[in-house]
Formats: sequence, C-alpha cells, structure tokens
Amino acid sequence: KQEVTQIPAALSVPEGENLVLNCSFTDSAIYNLQWFRQDPGKGLTSLLLIQSSQREQTSGRLNASLDKSSGRSTLYIAASQPGDSATYLCAVRSNYQLIWGAGTKLIIKP
Amino acid sequence: EAGVAQSPRYKIIEKRQSVAFWCNPISGHATLYWYQQILGQGPKLLIQFQNNGVVDDSQLPKDRFSAERLKGVDSTLKIQPAKLEDSAVYLCASSLGPGQGASGYTFGSGTRLTVV
Repeated sequence: KQEVTQIPAALSVPEGENLVLNCSFTDSAIYNLQWFRQDPGKGLTSLLLIQSSQREQTSGRLNASLDKSSGRSTLYIAASQPGDSATYLCAVRSNYQLIWGAGTKLIIKP
Repeated sequence: EAGVAQSPRYKIIEKRQSVAFWCNPISGHATLYWYQQILGQGPKLLIQFQNNGVVDDSQLPKDRFSAERLKGVDSTLKIQPAKLEDSAVYLCASSLGPGQGASGYTFGSGTRLTVV
C-alpha cells in the first residue's frame, strides 16, 4: 500500500531564504508525483508535475526533483516571499489514484 | 474557463442531522472526484465518477455517505446522519479523464463542514 509522508509538518523562515520541502513515498511504482499549494479557505492549486521518467521540473522560483529509487521528492523554493506562505502537499499517482501527504505548512516571515 | 464550483462554502450542523454538498465541474470534464480533508491531513478520496458511473468508492462510508452524478455533469454528496468526526473540508475536483496529470486536475474551493 502506497504511503506518502511529508516532513516537516510546519516550517517558518525569514523572507529571502531558499528552502526545501520533502516528500517521501513507500512504493516506487508510480506514474507521476505532483506538488500542490493550498491557501486557507481555498482549494488546491497544482504547482508542478513530474512524470515517473523525469528527474525534475521547474516553474519560476520553484524546482521539484524526483528520485524514484529512493522514494523521495523535494520542492525547492528560491528567494522565498511572504506570498509563498501556504500549505504545500505532494501527491503520488498510483493506479489512477492520488495518494496524498499531510502537507507542510510554510510561513515566510517579512 | 470557469473553475469548479462548490456550494455551500460553510455549513454548521448538529450531529445526526443530514447535509448535502453540490459541485459543478469544469465543462467537458468527464471525471469528478469528492475528497474529504480533515484538518492537518491530506485529502482522502471518497468517490470518483467517470461521467455518471462510479469508478471508485472504496473509501466512502456507505452507511452514511452517498453521492450521485445523474446526468454526468454536476454532483451531490450527502451525509445522513452526520457524526462529529465528519467535520472536515469536502473538496470537489474534476479532470478531462481518469489518467490526467496535474494539469488536468482542477479543485473547487471546498465546503467546510462543522458538526457540533
């Protein structure tokens, strides 16, 4: 059974710092891995999708990497801004289902 | 294009009462999902529709939860009777098909249910 874990559960850093969020999964047989952002009172916004054959994807200040063999993905946020404050969730696609982590709540202090 | 519409945004009910949530997916999206997200946890899939047929309802508590998508467009999720542990955000999402990646998923803003 696929399980997805995100560590840490919460993170608070000063504005301008580069930071890394971690996601680990137990079964390497995945189709893809996705990173989402969730703002309070709002739905989920897709950030990056990495197919199982890919190693990384980039969008602006965000870079996501995937290491299937070790069951790990990281989301790198460069030059963090207060507007980046949100909960970040990773989800692994297995057999047409998304298996979700519990998320990392990120606070960027001005 | 319009997003996934959900209503109501918030609902407070007493335990043992019934409640219904509504979702209107993006036009043309054949696959519709209902998720339950308890505070501090990731979303849990309750039910997945492909057009008006159920693809996966393995995690739906069928003794109290029901969902329908009669015309293959909008959908209703019902809880009857509600329990305290049903307090959560109920998210609806849609995609073109069941095999779509992140670009094919669109989530609604969710309905926050509080059972007292």
